[in-house]
Amino acid sequence: GQQVMQIPQYQHVQEGEDFTTYCNSSTTLSNIQWYKQRPGGHPVFLIQLVKSGEVKKQKRLTFQFGEAKKNSSLHITATQTTDVGTYFCAGPGANAGKSTFGDGTTLTVKP
Amino acid sequence: DTEVTQTPKHLVMGMTNKKSLKCEQHMGHRAMYWYKQKAKKPPELMFVYSYEKLSINESVPSRFSPECPNSSLLNLHLHALQPEDSALYLCASSQDFHGEQFFGPGTRLTVL
Repeated sequence: GQQVMQIPQYQHVQEGEDFTTYCNSSTTLSNIQWYKQRPGGHPVFLIQLVKSGEVKKQKRLTFQFGEAKKNSSLHITATQTTDVGTYFCAGPGANAGKSTFGDGTTLTVKP
Repeated sequence: DTEVTQTPKHLVMGMTNKKSLKCEQHMGHRAMYWYKQKAKKPPELMFVYSYEKLSINESVPSRFSPECPNSSLLNLHLHALQPEDSALYLCASSQDFHGEQFFGPGTRLTVL
């Protein structure tokens, strides 16, 4: 079945440093979605990318979808303590009916 | 209203109990989901309802029984659970099957 892998599993940064998490799927994706889950909270939708090579920005966050639609990345510029949490990618395979979540990258930010 | 609500927030039950988790959304979404999430793990899909019909059952044990009474409500009936079923149970909804998902706050379930 479809597998979605994320690296790194954990990332510890000093406030103000940049952060990137990478998502790789074993199969071509119809789209890719990114979610953030704060400690003790629930996943919150951040963004959806649909087109090959698509790049979207939300303030300090930059999302990319690979040309082959099998990988994606989330980059945060100048992290803040409010960025703390676990970032998940999720995406339905091109021929699959359901979305598979990656294992997530947990970000901690030291003030 | 862009909220998914879940009740109860916390539930403690014995292995012989029968209980139900409830989920509600009023965004007109046609797909609704149940996920199970263990600590430090991603949400694990259990069931998907699309247009009030069960479209995906991820080989979930029969001690979990989903129900979709109408387009706004989703229930998860629990019976004879095991301690390893203790987890955060998340409900989500989306406009359509592959769309962005809105998650509820979850029910923290403990099975004794």
